[in-house]
Amino acid sequence: SQQGEEDPQALSIQEGENATMNCSYKTSINNLQWYRQNSGRGLVHLILIRSNEREKHSGRLRVTLDTSKKSSSLLITASRAADTASYFCAGRMNRDDKIIFGKGTRLHILP
Amino acid sequence: EAGVAQSPRYKIIEKRQSVAFWCNPISGHATLYWYQQILGQGPKLLIQFQNNGVVDDSQLPKDRFSAERLKGVDSTLKIQPAKLEDSAVYLCASSLDSGANVLTFGAGSRLTVL
Repeated sequence: SQQGEEDPQALSIQEGENATMNCSYKTSINNLQWYRQNSGRGLVHLILIRSNEREKHSGRLRVTLDTSKKSSSLLITASRAADTASYFCAGRMNRDDKIIFGKGTRLHILP
Repeated sequence: EAGVAQSPRYKIIEKRQSVAFWCNPISGHATLYWYQQILGQGPKLLIQFQNNGVVDDSQLPKDRFSAERLKGVDSTLKIQPAKLEDSAVYLCASSLDSGANVLTFGAGSRLTVL
C-alpha cells in the first residue's frame, strides 16, 4: 500500500505564483523526499528532509516536515512553466527501511 | 555520469503474451529497484536487489512476474503471462547502496496490454 498521500491531486496556478503541495504519511519515517516527474519521464530527486529537521531550502524549493502530524509540505516559489510536472513525496519507513511513494500532485503552471 | 538505461521504452502486447524489460543501472550502484507506476498513481515497489541478491520482493506477483540481476549489474523484469491490469510504466532505479536515500530513475518502459 502507498505510504504517502499528497494533496491536492491537481493544482493549476499562474506563472510567478507560489505552489504548495502537501503530503501525509501513516507510519514512522527516517526521512521524507520529494521527486518530480515530467510527462513520460522518470522521477528526479528534488530534496530530502530528515525526521529531526523541520525545514529545508533548496533554490526555489522549501520543504517542511511535522513529524507530530505526520505531514510535509513542498513550496515552489515564483513558479515557472518548466515547473509543470507531477510531484511525489516518498518516505523511508523506519519499520523496514523501504522507500514508499505517494500518489502525487499534478502541477500545471499557466502562462 | 551516464544515467539509468531502460529498454524498450514502449511495448504493446496481447494479454497472455510475455514481455521482458531490461535495466542498466548507474555504474557502481549496488542497489537496484523495479517500480510499477499505473497511470495517475505513484510508483509501487515490485522488487529490490542488493548486488545480485533480492532484498524485498513482497509486492511482486510471483505467479507471473520474475526478475533477476545475475551479475549484480544489469537486471531484467519479465511478465508471463501478461494481464490487462499489468498496463503501466515499469521504472528502474538505482542507488549506491540500500542505505542511500537518493534514487536515480530511468525513463521507464511503458507497457500496454490489449
